[in-house]
Amino acid sequence: DAKTTQPTSMDCAEGRAANLPCNHSTISGNEYVYWYRQIHSQGPQYIIHGLKNNETNEMASLIITEDRKSSTLILPHATLRDTAVYYCIVRDLYAGGTSYGKLTFGQGTILTVHP
Amino acid sequence: DAGVTQSPTHLIKTRGQQVTLRCSPKSGHDTVSWYQQALGQGPQFIFQYYEEEERQRGNFPDRFSGHQFPNYSSELNVNALLLGDSALYLCASSLPRRSNTEAFFGQGTRLTVV
Repeated sequence: DAKTTQPTSMDCAEGRAANLPCNHSTISGNEYVYWYRQIHSQGPQYIIHGLKNNETNEMASLIITEDRKSSTLILPHATLRDTAVYYCIVRDLYAGGTSYGKLTFGQGTILTVHP
Repeated sequence: DAGVTQSPTHLIKTRGQQVTLRCSPKSGHDTVSWYQQALGQGPQFIFQYYEEEERQRGNFPDRFSGHQFPNYSSELNVNALLLGDSALYLCASSLPRRSNTEAFFGQGTRLTVV
C-alpha cells in the first residue's frame, strides 16, 4: 500500500475552514484516497473518498491534485465537535480475491478546533 | 440500523489467558475486518474474513485467530495473552462487491492485560 504523510497536529478556529493536507507520492493508478476521523476512544468514522476527481459530501470536500500525489480534506465550517484525529489512507482495493482491501492507518493529524 | 456492534466493551484479562471478542456487522455487510489500536497509535490491520474464510492477514502472530459465522458475525480469539496485547480492538464491516465501498467501524473492545 502507498504510504501517506500528514502533519502531526493542526489548529483551527471554530467557524473557519479546516484544511488538512496529505502527501501520497507513491500512489498507484487503482488506489483510492480515503479519509477517516477518530474522536477520542471511539471507532474511526468514514468521511469521504476519491480517486482523481474532487469530491464533496455533507461532511467535507476532498481535493486531489492532478498528479494524485497529494490531497486536501476541507471541513468548510469547523465546529468543536470536529476535534479528532484525521487519517488519510491510500487503499489497496484488490486483495484476497475480493474487491475490498485493508485500511493502512498512519499516525494521522490531530485537529484541534478552538472556540 | 444498529451499525457494527462489538462485545464486550471492556475486558480485563491476566497474562497467559485466552480471550474471545465478538462483532456483528452492519446489516447487509458480509465482510468483516479486525484491527488493533495501541494507545496513541493508528489502528493496525489484523485480518479480514469473507465467506467464512480468512482472506487477508496483517503482521500478527498466529496467537491471533478468527472465525466468521454463516450470519456474517465474527470472533477474534487471542491465545496466551501478553501485556503488549492491551489495546482497543476494532471491528469493521463492508460490502466486498463494490470496489469503492467504505468500511464502517464499531466502537471497539478495550482489552487490558494485567
